[in-house]
Amino acid sequence: GAGVSQSPSNKVTEKGKDVELRCDPISGHTALYWYRQSLGQGLEFLIYFQGNSAPDKSGLPSDRFSAERTGGSVSTLTIQRTQQEDSAVYLCASSTGYSSGNTIYFGEGSWLTVV
Amino acid sequence: QKEVEQNSGPLSVPEGAIASLNCTYSDRGSQSFFWYRQYSGKSPELIMSIYSNGDKEDGRFTAQLNKASQYVSLLIRDSQPSDSATYLCAVNTGGFKTIFGAGTRLFVKA
Repeated sequence: GAGVSQSPSNKVTEKGKDVELRCDPISGHTALYWYRQSLGQGLEFLIYFQGNSAPDKSGLPSDRFSAERTGGSVSTLTIQRTQQEDSAVYLCASSTGYSSGNTIYFGEGSWLTVV
Repeated sequence: QKEVEQNSGPLSVPEGAIASLNCTYSDRGSQSFFWYRQYSGKSPELIMSIYSNGDKEDGRFTAQLNKASQYVSLLIRDSQPSDSATYLCAVNTGGFKTIFGAGTRLFVKA
Protein backbone atom coordinates (compact mmCIF):
# COMPACT_ATOMS: atom_id res chain seq x y z
CA GLY A 1 0.00 0.00 0.00
CA ALA A 2 0.92 3.65 -0.21
CA GLY A 3 1.28 4.06 3.54
CA VAL A 4 1.18 2.19 6.81
CA SER A 5 -2.35 0.98 7.39
CA GLN A 6 -3.77 0.27 10.84
CA SER A 7 -7.05 -1.15 12.02
CA PRO A 8 -9.26 -0.56 13.82
CA SER A 9 -8.84 3.20 13.93
CA ASN A 10 -10.86 3.33 17.14
CA LYS A 11 -11.66 0.63 19.66
CA VAL A 12 -13.61 0.81 22.88
CA THR A 13 -13.40 -2.30 25.01
CA GLU A 14 -14.40 -3.38 28.47
CA LYS A 15 -11.79 -3.91 31.13
CA GLY A 16 -10.63 -7.51 31.13
CA LYS A 17 -11.32 -8.18 27.47
CA ASP A 18 -8.64 -9.01 24.91
CA VAL A 19 -7.99 -6.77 21.90
CA GLU A 20 -6.11 -7.22 18.66
CA LEU A 21 -4.66 -4.36 16.67
CA ARG A 22 -3.53 -4.86 13.11
CA CYS A 23 -0.81 -3.18 11.06
CA ASP A 24 -0.03 -3.47 7.37
CA PRO A 25 3.34 -1.84 6.65
CA ILE A 26 4.47 -0.01 3.54
CA SER A 27 5.11 -2.48 0.76
CA GLY A 28 8.77 -3.49 0.66
CA HIS A 29 9.53 -2.30 4.19
CA THR A 30 11.19 -5.04 6.19
CA ALA A 31 11.22 -3.34 9.58
CA LEU A 32 8.00 -2.88 11.56
CA TYR A 33 7.54 -1.08 14.86
CA TRP A 34 4.87 -0.66 17.50
CA TYR A 35 4.79 2.39 19.75
CA ARG A 36 2.28 3.52 22.35
CA GLN A 37 1.34 7.11 23.07
CA SER A 38 -0.80 7.99 26.06
CA LEU A 39 -2.71 11.27 26.06
CA GLY A 40 -0.28 14.18 26.13
CA GLN A 41 2.73 11.92 26.39
CA GLY A 42 5.63 10.97 24.16
CA LEU A 43 6.03 7.79 22.15
CA GLU A 44 6.81 4.67 24.13
CA PHE A 45 8.68 1.98 22.20
CA LEU A 46 7.03 -1.42 22.46
CA ILE A 47 8.53 -3.83 19.93
CA TYR A 48 10.11 -4.02 16.51
CA PHE A 49 10.52 -6.70 13.88
CA GLN A 50 13.28 -6.76 11.27
CA GLY A 51 13.16 -9.34 8.54
CA ASN A 52 13.55 -12.86 9.89
CA SER A 53 15.47 -11.79 12.99
CA ALA A 54 14.08 -12.32 16.46
CA PRO A 55 11.95 -9.31 17.41
CA ASP A 56 13.16 -6.78 19.96
CA LYS A 57 10.47 -7.04 22.65
CA SER A 58 12.30 -4.94 25.20
CA GLY A 59 9.58 -2.29 25.38
CA LEU A 60 6.55 -4.49 26.02
CA PRO A 61 5.19 -3.30 29.40
CA SER A 62 3.90 -6.65 30.67
CA ASP A 63 3.24 -10.22 29.63
CA ARG A 64 -0.30 -9.17 28.71
CA PHE A 65 1.18 -7.64 25.59
CA SER A 66 2.36 -9.70 22.64
CA ALA A 67 2.91 -9.16 18.96
CA GLU A 68 3.51 -11.28 15.95
CA ARG A 69 4.36 -10.67 12.35
CA THR A 70 3.26 -13.23 9.83
CA GLY A 71 4.98 -13.73 6.52
CA GLY A 72 7.24 -10.76 7.12
CA SER A 73 4.42 -8.33 6.46
CA VAL A 74 1.26 -7.81 8.51
CA SER A 75 1.62 -7.56 12.28
CA THR A 76 -0.87 -8.00 15.09
CA LEU A 77 -0.46 -6.50 18.56
CA THR A 78 -2.52 -8.34 21.15
CA ILE A 79 -3.38 -7.02 24.59
CA GLN A 80 -4.88 -9.58 26.94
CA ARG A 81 -7.07 -8.76 29.92
CA THR A 82 -7.06 -5.06 29.14
CA GLN A 83 -6.74 -2.53 31.92
CA GLN A 84 -7.73 1.13 31.96
CA GLU A 85 -4.09 2.18 31.87
CA ASP A 86 -3.81 0.48 28.49
CA SER A 87 -5.92 3.29 27.02
CA ALA A 88 -3.70 5.05 24.49
CA VAL A 89 -3.10 5.36 20.79
CA TYR A 90 -1.07 2.50 19.42
CA LEU A 91 1.10 3.59 16.52
CA CYS A 92 2.57 1.20 14.01
CA ALA A 93 5.46 2.25 11.80
CA SER A 94 7.67 0.73 9.18
CA SER A 95 11.00 1.40 7.52
CA THR A 96 13.16 -0.03 4.79
CA GLY A 97 15.27 -1.79 7.37
CA TYR A 98 18.56 -0.34 6.25
CA SER A 99 20.48 0.53 9.40
CA SER A 100 21.94 3.60 7.72
CA GLY A 101 19.27 6.23 8.05
CA ASN A 102 16.25 4.02 8.73
CA THR A 103 13.57 6.68 8.50
CA ILE A 104 10.38 5.49 10.17
CA TYR A 105 6.95 6.15 8.67
CA PHE A 106 3.90 6.02 10.88
CA GLY A 107 0.35 4.87 10.40
CA GLU A 108 -2.59 6.89 11.68
CA GLY A 109 -2.81 4.84 14.85
CA SER A 110 -5.36 2.73 16.64
CA TRP A 111 -7.06 4.63 19.46
CA LEU A 112 -7.86 2.24 22.28
CA THR A 113 -10.18 3.13 25.14
CA VAL A 114 -10.66 0.67 27.98
CA VAL A 115 -13.78 1.34 30.04
CA GLN B 1 18.45 9.22 32.86
CA LYS B 2 16.07 9.04 29.91
CA GLU B 3 17.60 7.93 26.64
CA VAL B 4 16.30 10.96 24.74
CA GLU B 5 15.45 14.15 26.59
CA GLN B 6 13.57 17.22 25.44
CA ASN B 7 12.15 20.23 27.20
CA SER B 8 8.39 19.65 27.21
CA GLY B 9 7.65 23.36 26.77
CA PRO B 10 5.45 24.91 25.77
CA LEU B 11 7.77 27.09 23.72
CA SER B 12 6.01 30.20 22.54
CA VAL B 13 7.43 32.41 19.79
CA PRO B 14 5.91 35.24 17.75
CA GLU B 15 5.20 34.77 14.08
CA GLY B 16 8.31 35.37 11.99
CA ALA B 17 10.74 34.58 14.79
CA ILE B 18 13.21 31.71 15.01
CA ALA B 19 12.10 28.73 17.11
CA SER B 20 14.90 26.68 18.64
CA LEU B 21 14.18 23.15 19.82
CA ASN B 22 16.75 21.08 21.67
CA CYS B 23 17.36 17.43 22.40
CA THR B 24 20.03 15.44 24.23
CA TYR B 25 20.62 11.72 24.10
CA SER B 26 22.48 9.28 26.30
CA ASP B 27 23.83 6.61 23.93
CA ARG B 28 27.16 7.77 22.49
CA GLY B 29 26.97 5.09 19.82
CA SER B 30 23.84 6.59 18.25
CA GLN B 31 24.27 7.29 14.56
CA SER B 32 20.97 8.56 13.17
CA PHE B 33 18.86 11.42 14.41
CA PHE B 34 15.43 12.59 13.36
CA TRP B 35 12.95 15.35 14.00
CA TYR B 36 9.26 14.59 13.68
CA ARG B 37 6.32 16.96 13.87
CA GLN B 38 3.05 15.84 15.42
CA TYR B 39 -0.15 17.83 15.21
CA SER B 40 -2.75 17.19 17.88
CA GLY B 41 -4.63 13.97 17.19
CA LYS B 42 -2.38 13.04 14.29
CA SER B 43 0.54 10.68 13.87
CA PRO B 44 4.13 11.94 13.70
CA GLU B 45 5.56 12.97 10.36
CA LEU B 46 9.23 13.26 9.49
CA ILE B 47 10.70 16.74 9.09
CA MET B 48 14.44 16.20 9.05
CA SER B 49 17.06 13.52 9.46
CA ILE B 50 20.72 14.13 10.23
CA TYR B 51 23.62 11.71 10.51
CA SER B 52 26.81 13.83 10.53
CA ASN B 53 28.06 16.55 12.83
CA GLY B 54 27.18 20.04 11.73
CA ASP B 55 24.17 21.67 10.17
CA LYS B 56 21.67 20.41 7.64
CA GLU B 57 19.24 22.84 6.07
CA ASP B 58 15.93 22.15 4.36
CA GLY B 59 13.84 25.20 3.59
CA ARG B 60 12.98 26.97 6.84
CA PHE B 61 14.30 24.09 8.92
CA THR B 62 17.88 23.52 10.07
CA ALA B 63 18.97 20.50 12.07
CA GLN B 64 22.19 20.71 14.04
CA LEU B 65 24.11 17.75 15.42
CA ASN B 66 27.00 17.64 17.89
CA LYS B 67 27.89 14.05 18.70
CA ALA B 68 30.61 15.00 21.16
CA SER B 69 28.05 16.86 23.24
CA GLN B 70 25.30 14.33 22.44
CA TYR B 71 23.09 17.16 21.36
CA VAL B 72 20.79 17.70 18.42
CA SER B 73 18.65 20.73 17.71
CA LEU B 74 16.08 22.00 15.24
CA LEU B 75 15.78 25.62 14.18
CA ILE B 76 12.65 26.87 12.48
CA ARG B 77 13.12 30.21 10.75
CA ASP B 78 10.28 32.60 9.96
CA SER B 79 7.97 30.62 12.24
CA GLN B 80 4.35 30.41 11.12
CA PRO B 81 1.20 29.65 13.14
CA SER B 82 0.95 26.44 11.11
CA ASP B 83 4.22 25.33 12.71
CA SER B 84 2.42 25.07 16.06
CA ALA B 85 2.71 21.39 16.97
CA THR B 86 4.70 19.00 19.13
CA TYR B 87 8.20 18.31 17.85
CA LEU B 88 9.66 14.91 18.62
CA CYS B 89 13.36 14.14 18.62
CA ALA B 90 14.17 10.55 17.69
CA VAL B 91 17.45 8.69 17.95
CA ASN B 92 18.42 5.40 16.36
CA THR B 93 20.34 3.74 19.17
CA GLY B 94 21.68 0.80 17.21
CA GLY B 95 20.30 -1.77 14.87
CA PHE B 96 16.81 -0.60 14.09
CA LYS B 97 15.65 0.51 17.51
CA THR B 98 14.56 4.14 17.45
CA ILE B 99 13.75 5.93 20.67
CA PHE B 100 11.68 9.09 20.84
CA GLY B 101 11.82 11.97 23.27
CA ALA B 102 8.66 13.15 24.98
CA GLY B 103 8.39 16.09 22.60
CA THR B 104 8.41 19.87 22.85
CA ARG B 105 5.16 21.75 22.29
CA LEU B 106 5.62 24.82 20.10
CA PHE B 107 3.14 27.67 19.85
CA VAL B 108 3.63 30.31 17.18
CA LYS B 109 1.57 33.41 17.97
CA ALA B 110 0.11 35.33 15.06
